[in-house]
Amino acid sequence: DGGITQSPKYLFRKEGQNVTLSCEQNLNHDAMYWYRQDPGQGLRLIYYSQIVNDFQKGDIAEGYSVSREKKESFPLTVTSAQKNPTAFYLCASNPGGAGTDTQYFGPGTRLTVL
Amino acid sequence: AQRVTQPEKLLSVFKGAPVELKCNYSYSGSPELFWYVQYSRQRLQLLLRHISRESIKGFTADLNKGETSFHLKKPFAQEEDSAMYYCATRGGNEKLTFGTGTRLTIIP
Repeated sequence: DGGITQSPKYLFRKEGQNVTLSCEQNLNHDAMYWYRQDPGQGLRLIYYSQIVNDFQKGDIAEGYSVSREKKESFPLTVTSAQKNPTAFYLCASNPGGAGTDTQYFGPGTRLTVL
Repeated sequence: AQRVTQPEKLLSVFKGAPVELKCNYSYSGSPELFWYVQYSRQRLQLLLRHISRESIKGFTADLNKGETSFHLKKPFAQEEDSAMYYCATRGGNEKLTFGTGTRLTIIP
C-alpha cells in the first residue's frame, strides 16, 4: 500500500519542543497538502504546495512551517508557537493542474503534546 | 470564501432504512463538490464527485444549485456504511474546503 506514507504513526512531544512530521509520496504528484483533523472541526488546511520549492499558507498556518525541496516530500514542522498542537495530522496529494480532481490521503500522524 | 456546512455531527440509521447526509455550500462561482469517507482504521478516501454523476456503493449525491446543497443519499443502509463522511468543495484556487463531517452509524 504505497502512495502516500506518513511517519511516525504516533508522536509525543514535550511542551516547548519543535517536532517534524514526515510525508512522502511516490505518485509523482505535483501538489501536496497538510491538514489538521480535530473532533467536531473537520479537516482544516495548514499549508499546501502546488509545485516544488513553492508553498502557501492555508487557513491555520500559525505555529507551523513546511518545506518542499523535493517533489516527493513535504515535511511539516510543528513549532513551539503552535498553541494547541495535539491533533491528528493528515497529508494529502493530487496530480495538480487539470488532474486535481481527487486528493489521496496518507494514514495520518497523531501528535500528542505532554 | 468557500464554506461547507454539514449540520449533523452524528446520524444513526437502522439497517435497511434510507440514509441522507446533508451538505450545504456557499461559493459564488461554479463549485466542484465531493464526498469523502473515512471507514474505521482506514484512510480518508474519495467516495464520489458531483461532476461524475456516479453511484458508488449505492450512494448518490445531486448538486442542487438553487438550494446550494449536495446531500448524500442511499436508499437502503448497510452496516458497512458506518463511517465518517465529509463533504468538500473546490473553488478556483484548487484548494479543497471540507465540512466538519458527519459520523454515520448503522444500527443492526
